[in-house]
Amino acid sequence: KAGVTQTPRYLIKTRGQQVTLSCSPISGHRSVSWYQQTPGQGLQFLFEYFSETQRNKGNFPGRFSGRQFSNSRSEMNVSTLELGDSALYLCASSIWEERLSTDTQYFGPGTRLTVL
Amino acid sequence: GEDVEQSLFLSVREGDSSVINCTYTDSSSTYLYWYKQEPGAGLQLLTYIFSNMDMKQDQRLTVLLNKKDKHLSLRIADTQTGDSAIYFCAESITRDDKIIFGKGTRLHILP
Repeated sequence: KAGVTQTPRYLIKTRGQQVTLSCSPISGHRSVSWYQQTPGQGLQFLFEYFSETQRNKGNFPGRFSGRQFSNSRSEMNVSTLELGDSALYLCASSIWEERLSTDTQYFGPGTRLTVL
Repeated sequence: GEDVEQSLFLSVREGDSSVINCTYTDSSSTYLYWYKQEPGAGLQLLTYIFSNMDMKQDQRLTVLLNKKDKHLSLRIADTQTGDSAIYFCAESITRDDKIIFGKGTRLHILP
């Protein structure tokens, strides 16, 4: 099975621009979560989508938004980029694993966004 | 609110045991996880423990949970150079709830 894929892998934008990141989950996974990883703040939860609905949301401003399509692929959008948005954005898809009795998250390689 | 704390760095000699500690604030946490992030790679679930367990062992990994103190630890026996990575402690209240991560502990292996 192919893993979680994220595109693009690297992105450079300037302040004020907007950006859309894409995540394709593992086939059969219906839940997709997004995280922002920075050296100072660590890994912070952005939001989670399940069956095209936002199920959980972290403490990020409204400039950060997302959506999920019927094929479970997800996009994350950041509008009016700020310098502080420079980070590695990780996507994870998850599925209930009976043998582990828990949801297991599988992470993609991330998109490294640099805002100049 | 939910918070997960862990020390940022740990240096251990090759062959020794590594113990990475974590504390969390939400006593409702049911699922507690350890993830590993190797340089240039994504996060990988290493192991997990349910809040009704005190200990879980998986080959070289031992997870200890002190629910009263809200303290979680990961012990890696016979630490190898390949164990060099950032280890994230994480928790969630239910299986559908968001997962809250600590800032990660960078494990450095000394020769």
